[in-house]
Amino acid sequence: DAGITQSPRHKVTETGTPVTLRCHQTENHRYMYWYRQDPGHGLRLIHYSYGVKDTDKGEVSDGYSVSRSKTEDFLLTLESATSSQTSVYFCAIWRGGFDEQFFGPGTRLTVL
Amino acid sequence: DQQVKQNSPSLSVQEGRISILNCDYTNSMFDYFLWYKKYPAEGPTFLISISSIKDKNEDGRFTVFLNKSAKHLSLHIVPSQPGDSAVYFCAASARGGSQGNLIFGKGTKLSVKP
Repeated sequence: DAGITQSPRHKVTETGTPVTLRCHQTENHRYMYWYRQDPGHGLRLIHYSYGVKDTDKGEVSDGYSVSRSKTEDFLLTLESATSSQTSVYFCAIWRGGFDEQFFGPGTRLTVL
Repeated sequence: DQQVKQNSPSLSVQEGRISILNCDYTNSMFDYFLWYKKYPAEGPTFLISISSIKDKNEDGRFTVFLNKSAKHLSLHIVPSQPGDSAVYFCAASARGGSQGNLIFGKGTKLSVKP
């Protein structure tokens, strides 16, 4: 396995609270991504990173911020969680040698 | 506006028969296409890909066909097995642009009946 862990795997929080999701990779890949998956929407890109401290917005970035202070860690923060951010969040890395994005197991977030 | 479309939300096939999953795209800059399979409570797993310089790519029971003029690709699974039951996502990338950024379709849920 390429080695992506996501933490926590499940989280229930209340509207208005900040939430941070962590993605950790063990293979030193440069590109990392955060997606959300919702019924009827497939996977949508939130933010991505192309190196330490280099990040950019994806399709659905409003209400989210990211940080990457080390190659292996990519953090996704919901500044003030809303019910519309209830979703399953997936982290991914670009495995250039295989020409594919490899996904982590996901974090199920519920905002009450 | 959807750039990658999977117009069939679901597909049911008998074990041993062929499964054909379809995907259409609108952006002519897309030049690399991937299929992912997703089981419940797991992350998507890469299945097969195709570059725009090809019109067919095979890997075991899985074949992807690309028709650039029609902006259409399809995934064929032969023979279908019950373990193939999953949601299949089509994804596209314009690799000359943002490195590796993928645009996904909404997915097709395949059910293979024994």
